Amino acid sequence: QKEVEQNSGPLSVPEGAIASLNCTYSDRGSQSFFWYRQYSGKSPELIMSIYSNGDKEDGRFTAQLNKASQYVSLLIRDSQPSDSATYLCAADTGRRALTFGSGTRLQVQP
Amino acid sequence: GAGVSQTPSNKVTEKGKYVELRCDPISGHTALYWYRQSLGQGPEFLIYFQGTGAADDSGLPNDRFFAVRPEGSVSTLKIQRTERGDSAVYLCASSPLDGQNTEAFFGQGTRLTVV
Repeated sequence: QKEVEQNSGPLSVPEGAIASLNCTYSDRGSQSFFWYRQYSGKSPELIMSIYSNGDKEDGRFTAQLNKASQYVSLLIRDSQPSDSATYLCAADTGRRALTFGSGTRLQVQP
Repeated sequence: GAGVSQTPSNKVTEKGKYVELRCDPISGHTALYWYRQSLGQGPEFLIYFQGTGAADDSGLPNDRFFAVRPEGSVSTLKIQRTERGDSAVYLCASSPLDGQNTEAFFGQGTRLTVV
């Protein structure tokens, strides 16, 4: 079992809809969680971090963390074609280096 | 500089050759990480430096891989006797490691192709 699991997608949503991206992790010692966006041929770009149970909102993005269920999600409201990318979930398992999932490819249809 | 800088952006080398990849982190960031990313996969951890010392090198695949950060800033990833399986994008990231904040910021990567 991989430490951080994501559905590879693609997840296809129409423009203006809410995109919901999900991630599960296996190490209960994981402290911090991150969402990165990666455009094709580019490096990962940090878009959200979350450290405590609950929701954290930043503009159109909301990260959700449930440590009891070992579940992290990212909601993108009012999805735009420019949001089309691969979204990587990452966890800090306590060793201060990140463990990444394989990413979910999001396609926002105009 | 404003962000993490990696050089070269692309490197093509012959099997068996030695390569060095350089990373210049964000000024003031004490933590520096090397990752490797293959097509369709997430970044895979290689090594983490806190200051000048390697705090965790458990991700280095074998003894052909080595990394240094002699002055606590710039780091070099060194690969000896390259193999075709080493072909990947090598990503460097840095982090301030300020308390609980372990946010890491990536450079643009070095695409290594071993032919």
